[in-house]
Amino acid sequence: DVKVTQSSRYLVKRTGEKVFLECVQDMDHENMFWYRQDPGLGLRLIYFSYDVKMKEKGDIPEGYSVSREKKERFSLILESASTNQTSMYLCASRSGQAGRQETQYFGPGTRLLVL
Amino acid sequence: SQQGEEDPQALSIQEGENATMNCSYKTSINNLQWYRQNSGRGLVHLILIRSNEREKHSGRLRVTLDTSKKSSSLLITASRAADTASYFCATDLYGSSNTGKLIFGQGTTLQVKP
Repeated sequence: DVKVTQSSRYLVKRTGEKVFLECVQDMDHENMFWYRQDPGLGLRLIYFSYDVKMKEKGDIPEGYSVSREKKERFSLILESASTNQTSMYLCASRSGQAGRQETQYFGPGTRLLVL
Repeated sequence: SQQGEEDPQALSIQEGENATMNCSYKTSINNLQWYRQNSGRGLVHLILIRSNEREKHSGRLRVTLDTSKKSSSLLITASRAADTASYFCATDLYGSSNTGKLIFGQGTTLQVKP
């Protein structure tokens, strides 16, 4: 059974703290994604990665960075957390190989509160 | 503006009734996918329809795609209380397959009353 796990379900941090959100997938997928989800705005793509050490900005990368040192792990970093980064963060992965499934598999989400 | 826009934003029906959700998009696509999200959880893939397909079924789900109108609909027949969730359409844009990027709509919140 495919699995995407996220390091925390709930997280409370203070303004200015550095925050790490970790995502691990066990499907040997090439592509991994970080989204944030806010009421009325749907899912917005922050960053994605199509290979180890490769990354591309999504629609809302400001205030975030990412790291992909190993194929199975994709980390989202908030260098200096701000209250407007309070949100639900969702990680997803997908095979990048032609002919493989084109669906994305999601983790359970991390609800981050920045005080 | 959003690639995928869904209608209605919220839907409330009685158990046993059918639920229809619509999705419109703006640019050419490789495929369109529907996902479900239970409250506070991650998204789960339901069904994928390719740009050269017009209709697809999976259990109680029926998806249609009209590429001339750039729209899709998701029909859930004989709804159950357990179908209560948010439903999202997502488009895999033409030419973007290598990246795996999807563009998600804002979702339809479905409530099925027992």
